[in-house]
Amino acid sequence: QSVLTQPPSASGTPGQRVTISCSGSSSNIGDNYVYWFQQLPGTAPKLLIYRNYQRPSGVPDRFSGSKSGTSASLAISGLRSEDEADYYCAAWDDTLSGVIFGGGTKLTVL
Amino acid sequence: EVQLVESGGGLVQPGRSLRLSCAASGFTFEDYAMHWVRQAPGKGLEWVSGVRWNGVNVGYADSVKGRFTISRDNAKNSLYLQMNSLRPEDTALYYCTKGRSTSPSDGMDVWGQGTTVTVSS
Repeated sequence: QSVLTQPPSASGTPGQRVTISCSGSSSNIGDNYVYWFQQLPGTAPKLLIYRNYQRPSGVPDRFSGSKSGTSASLAISGLRSEDEADYYCAAWDDTLSGVIFGGGTKLTVL
Repeated sequence: EVQLVESGGGLVQPGRSLRLSCAASGFTFEDYAMHWVRQAPGKGLEWVSGVRWNGVNVGYADSVKGRFTISRDNAKNSLYLQMNSLRPEDTALYYCTKGRSTSPSDGMDVWGQGTTVTVSS
């Protein structure tokens, strides 16, 4: 059972803006940075967002992250077919002394 | 180019042991925390363990505590995972991941391609 809660699925049409939520608690999101990963089918996860909203070089600015209290969100604007993937949020948990992941959200581009 | 290459996976019987290795290149290995993350077939990501830059381990997921041991050799730019008393539920693709800094709480940025572990009789 994941400590971070994500919706299992999300969908949108090309060009649309989609948001994926990630809910945690004071021991993880509330007190630590949030990270987002994209996993395309059959590939290893790729870092999309670090420290709540920062983008690694090479990640398009269509991807943005935000955090408020014990929740975080990933927004994807100008949706493209190649964005179809699984998305995971993650954070350090002070109680567990380890990294915790959300259960993942499967994004479908209709 | 930063690269992580895992090895050591395979088919093993329940109760037996396996040692995974991760060869790192393209960055100063001793400057970063490292982690193991696994993904069971068709399932999500699960953090297994992490180790600080100096070899002090961060901790383990409850599911592997007491059975798995993480270690690193900075002279060999390598990360290891010793897995004992393996169970069928340990079957997964095991990823080696690079931390973003010396602190294991600062997330992970680079992932290897993974090595598959199958525990079955």
